Amino acid sequence: ETGVTQTPRHLVMGMTNKKSLKCEQHLGHNAMYWYKQSAKKPLELMFVYSLEERVENNSVPSRFSPECPNSSHLFLHLHTLQPEDSALYLCASSQDRTGLGYTFGSGTRLTVV
Amino acid sequence: AQSVTQLDSQVPVFEEAPVELRCNYSSSVSVYLFWYVQYPNQGLQLLLKYLSGSTLVKGINGFEAEFNKSQTSFHLRKPSVHISDTAEYFCAVSDNTNAGKSTFGDGTTLTVKP
Repeated sequence: ETGVTQTPRHLVMGMTNKKSLKCEQHLGHNAMYWYKQSAKKPLELMFVYSLEERVENNSVPSRFSPECPNSSHLFLHLHTLQPEDSALYLCASSQDRTGLGYTFGSGTRLTVV
Repeated sequence: AQSVTQLDSQVPVFEEAPVELRCNYSSSVSVYLFWYVQYPNQGLQLLLKYLSGSTLVKGINGFEAEFNKSQTSFHLRKPSVHISDTAEYFCAVSDNTNAGKSTFGDGTTLTVKP
């Protein structure tokens, strides 16, 4: 258990479905992140939240919609995804935004069919 | 802007042999440096980090890394590897002027053979 919990671990969804990924941390961290990890590609930073405010959105398509209701929870809402969106989605948290390192969750393996 | 280059995409070694995974970075300001390990179907786990002070940093699982400012490198080493060290290893860099955001290398796959 890393301190950052992601659910579900695996998700298969059709292109017309709507689903949500959940991330939870109780480390007292104030910043949370969504990363996408595709095969043979570098880690892609998708969103950054600091104190529940979105501070970065790296040109992510609108079919991905993040939500941070409080500093312990982060969601990624998915709708009308494409097969190329299949990937491992990783949540991470850090104490403030001082660049002192992340704690990652185990990820959600998403397959879009 | 900052960047990270992991010089080897794959490193095969035999069990109990030493290993070095190479990482070079570029940045116009002082940096923090990290190595993360990712086992199959898992997230990334922090192995070690350099923030300041001694340039030789020891981490978990017997790994260590040395910060070399003149060569802008942060190579990861282990004197004797085990089968269980087979994983993907990521070098990352961040600075405290970039809002805590880390830049990751492309990863090095370490395969330990019996």
